[in-house]
Amino acid sequence: ELKVEQNPLFLSMQEGKNYTIYCNYSTTSDRLYWYRQDPGKSLESLFVLLSNGAVKQEGRLMASLDTKARLSTLHITAAVHDLSATYFCAVDKYGGSQGNLIFGKGTKLSVKP
Amino acid sequence: NAGVTQTPKFQVLKTGQSMTLQCAQDMNHNSMYWYRQDPGMGLRLIYYSASEGTTDKGEVPNGYNVSRLNKREFSLRLESAAPSQTSVYFCASRGDNLGGKLFFGSGTQLSVL
Repeated sequence: ELKVEQNPLFLSMQEGKNYTIYCNYSTTSDRLYWYRQDPGKSLESLFVLLSNGAVKQEGRLMASLDTKARLSTLHITAAVHDLSATYFCAVDKYGGSQGNLIFGKGTKLSVKP
Repeated sequence: NAGVTQTPKFQVLKTGQSMTLQCAQDMNHNSMYWYRQDPGMGLRLIYYSASEGTTDKGEVPNGYNVSRLNKREFSLRLESAAPSQTSVYFCASRGDNLGGKLFFGSGTQLSVL
């Protein structure tokens, strides 16, 4: 059974600081997804990582994928309040792109002044 | 461009009542999904439809039925609602390109009393 584990589950940061969210998964997969959810809102796609060593960056967020270690990281650089949200990683159950995504429990990020 | 549209946004049911959640997408996507989100649990896949005319069970299908009415529409039915089905339900669709990422609707908040 595929398991996707994120840590930490809660993260309180000060503005301007850096931090990393970790996503471990238990089965072989060549792609991983990161989503963002604002309170009371839907999920928005942040990154699709399609191969080992993939790195993608958008603003203050950078995601990477190590398929051999079954690990993805979401790095936050110089956090700002607007980044406060819950971040989910997800892996396709069948290791490909069928869309049967298994989600982690999410990391609730709070950025404080 | 509406994307993925879900109705209703909110619903309160009594135990044993039935209802159907509606979902439509206008992106010409083949695959559609129903997820539920519970606090601290991430998102869990209920049912999915890889193409028009096909449906398959996800992680938590018990108590639900689905219908893929046509390529655009995918409905989720609760035949006899139970308090354990109190949750936020998200419909999503996936195109064959774009790395397999999902596009989510705005969600339905369902309470079963």
